[in-house]
Amino acid sequence: DTGVSQDPRHKITKRGQNVTFRCDPISEHNRLYWYRQTLGQGPEFLTYFQNEAQLEKSRLLSDRFSAERPKGSFSTLEIQRTEQGDSAMYLCASSLARGGRVSSPLHFGNGTRLTVT
Amino acid sequence: SQELEQSPQSLIVQEGKNLTINCTSSKTLYGLYWYKQKYGEGLIFLMMLQKGGEEKSHEKITAKLDEKKQQSSLHITASQPSHAGIYLCGATPLDSNYQLIWGAGTKLIIKP
Repeated sequence: DTGVSQDPRHKITKRGQNVTFRCDPISEHNRLYWYRQTLGQGPEFLTYFQNEAQLEKSRLLSDRFSAERPKGSFSTLEIQRTEQGDSAMYLCASSLARGGRVSSPLHFGNGTRLTVT
Repeated sequence: SQELEQSPQSLIVQEGKNLTINCTSSKTLYGLYWYKQKYGEGLIFLMMLQKGGEEKSHEKITAKLDEKKQQSSLHITASQPSHAGIYLCGATPLDSNYQLIWGAGTKLIIKP
């Protein structure tokens, strides 16, 4: 069981730079989620994919954030013109869903910790 | 703000003692999930509850979901240092089919 893997584990960048994170989900999972988490808080939903289709994006998410899942397998999350407020842990999760409901638990990667200086 | 209320926010427990963490929603839930997180790491799935009144156990951890499916508790018996970490509840509301709402987490410290 390879689990969900995320790369890189840590990223330090200067304000205004672009960053890209990668997530490789569990291979048989059709749903992939991106969350953001800050200290002392639960995960905050960013976006999710069913196969290659991006079905929902948080209304709170800035246009500087974009995510792709080109072949329905791995996904990338890009943040353009980073700001200090973007500093957080970015978590990827995958699950197997049949029909409309989440029918299996979300399995999380270890996250990418972003620090914007 | 968090859509699930977790209590307590933090807990310091003597090793060997029992403890309970609660998770409450204002909405009826389709499913509720308990996760554990260590600092700087991802969330590790513990248990999923979907039926009102359901109870599940794994080793020394027991989770329950009330009949109305709005409240859950996580109980640890005879706590050990390995139980230390942050416990998070996540849930799928009945009016959502994909997104989990989350509690802010309960930080558990085990004193030797």
